[in-house]
Amino acid sequence: EPEVTQTPSHQVTQMGQEVILRCVPISNHLYFYWYRQILGQKVEFLVSFYNNEISEKSEIFDDQFSVERPDGSNFTLKIRSTKLEDSAMYFCASSERTGDTEAFFGQGTRLTVV
Amino acid sequence: AQTVTQSQPEMSVQEAETVTLSCTYDTSESDYYLFWYKQPPSRQMILVIRQEAYKQQNATENRFSVNFQKAAKSFSLKISDSQLGDAAMYFCAYSNFGNEKLTFGTGTRLTIIP
Repeated sequence: EPEVTQTPSHQVTQMGQEVILRCVPISNHLYFYWYRQILGQKVEFLVSFYNNEISEKSEIFDDQFSVERPDGSNFTLKIRSTKLEDSAMYFCASSERTGDTEAFFGQGTRLTVV
Repeated sequence: AQTVTQSQPEMSVQEAETVTLSCTYDTSESDYYLFWYKQPPSRQMILVIRQEAYKQQNATENRFSVNFQKAAKSFSLKISDSQLGDAAMYFCAYSNFGNEKLTFGTGTRLTIIP
């Protein structure tokens, strides 16, 4: 069964460093998303991406965040100058279409900023 | 803005019994989708069941069914014949029709007692 894969599963970084979280969405999907889950809290929407551009972003997704689809398969989330409060699980998801189809989630990347 | 509320942070049920997880939401939209996602210890979020708001009939997937009360903005999940593999965090989620962003509740941790 096709799945969304994320790498790495766990990333530890020093405060102020840049990190890139990687995702390979399901191959025929057109919509891509990043969500964040701070430990013990709910899953929060960060950004959606369609047709090589951001279609929607949340208040969390400020200038320190960026997304890119550098080739036909990868979808990345870059966090510049990480802060302690960026420590969270980051989930990538993809879907064929909006709303009426299932969003498939990856297993997440646990980011720890020290 | 839409909100999703899950008032039960934890629930437990005896194996083979039935359990109902509660979810309420707030929206001014008339067309939308509601979802229940399961997040087992492996962390990957898996869609359990989906309900389209314009459908009066409650969705059912094997042992999982929902009680969708549109006027009350309530969307509960019933798990029948609970199995040990049902143990997980369950998230209720909402998306507007034609919009891909998911808004999640805070989750309910379900424990299955053997």
